[in-house]
Amino acid sequence: QKEVEQNSGPLSVPEGAIASLNCTYSDRGSQSFFWYRQYSGKSPELIMSIYSNGDKEDGRFTAQLNKASQYVSLLIRDSQPSDSATYLCAVIPGNQFYFGTGTSLTVIP
Amino acid sequence: DTGVSQNPRHKITKRGQNVTFRCDPISEHNRLYWYRQTLGQGPEFLTYFQNEAQLEKSRLLSDRFSAERPKGSFSTLEIQRTEQGDSAMYLCASSGPRLGTYNEQFFGPGTRLTVL
Repeated sequence: QKEVEQNSGPLSVPEGAIASLNCTYSDRGSQSFFWYRQYSGKSPELIMSIYSNGDKEDGRFTAQLNKASQYVSLLIRDSQPSDSATYLCAVIPGNQFYFGTGTSLTVIP
Repeated sequence: DTGVSQNPRHKITKRGQNVTFRCDPISEHNRLYWYRQTLGQGPEFLTYFQNEAQLEKSRLLSDRFSAERPKGSFSTLEIQRTEQGDSAMYLCASSGPRLGTYNEQFFGPGTRLTVL
């Protein structure tokens, strides 16, 4: 079982819609969770971090964490074509940092 | 530019040769990480430094890989006797009290290695 699992997609949404990206993790002791965005040919860019159960909002982005279900998600409201990228979920159990394989998102104008 | 920098950006080498990459973290970041990323995959953790101490090394990392951070500032990653399977993007990230929490990592542009 992989430490972090994501649906690889691709996920396509129309401009202005809500994009929902999901991630599950295997280590119940994980305490820190992150979402990164990666444009093709570029390095990952931190979008959100979340450490407590519940929702955390930052502009058009909302991260949701449910430790009981070992599930973390990212909602992107009012999706824009510039949001088209691969979104990586990352988890820290212990001293290592595990990334999922990423979900490819395409926002259609 | 105060971000993470990596050199070289691209490296082409022949199988069996040794290569070395350099990473300069964000100023004052005391944590530095190395990752490897292949097409269609997320970054794979390789190793992690806090200041000059190497605190964690992936079990997947073969003995041909070694990393150093001698003065707690820049770091080098060396791959000895390269193999075609080493072809990947090598990413460096740093974290620290400035620009976020200790666990929020900021990535450099990466070094793309091609082994012929």
